[in-house]
Amino acid sequence: DAGITQSPRYKITETGRQVTLMCHQTWSHSYMFWYRQDLGHGLRLIYYSAAADITDKGEVPDGYVVSRSKTENFPLTLESATRSQTSVYFCATLDVARREEQFFGPGTRLTVL
Amino acid sequence: SQQGEEDPQALSIQEGENATMNCSYKTSINNLQWYRQNSGRGLVHLILIRSNEREKHSGRLRVTLDTSKKSSSLLITASRAADTASYFCATDNSGNTPLVFGKGTRLSVIA
Repeated sequence: DAGITQSPRYKITETGRQVTLMCHQTWSHSYMFWYRQDLGHGLRLIYYSAAADITDKGEVPDGYVVSRSKTENFPLTLESATRSQTSVYFCATLDVARREEQFFGPGTRLTVL
Repeated sequence: SQQGEEDPQALSIQEGENATMNCSYKTSINNLQWYRQNSGRGLVHLILIRSNEREKHSGRLRVTLDTSKKSSSLLITASRAADTASYFCATDNSGNTPLVFGKGTRLSVIA
């Protein structure tokens, strides 16, 4: 199916473990974003990427690593998960030529025990 | 930090009534967007209003923008139970900076 997908949809892990959340798009949109959503904080930007091999920090990048070797994939890695990283993570894309709406994936609910 | 701040945080109305949500922001913008999020889902784009526009309509949605007050409002007319969701404003400031989202208004429409 065309669009934006995230995997896994649900993940439970333990403190200190490495976790990678995957994001894949079929549109070839140049921009991709990772957000986390927590009660009381709304959506906060973690990292974003303007194109393959170009990434930038957002508001809350600490504890996260991203890479973008291919336009269609934008994985987010928690190198050593902490309980404070328990959250719902959303990936999004933007067509820079239109620079209007962002398209969001369905989200990954991550629980760190 | 958040650019947009929605008000109220939560709103409960009866089906058929109108729902109004407000968004205030801090810096100059190119455009302001409204998104909707159903429970357990990703955000979906509703409408975009550019900085040189004052009002925009899309179906039952009406958005206004007052750049002098740095505020926007989203009006949903004749609300339905299916409108129950969280609504977020997002500001597009300039250049290639990402959208900045507010914390959202949680709307409950009671049938």
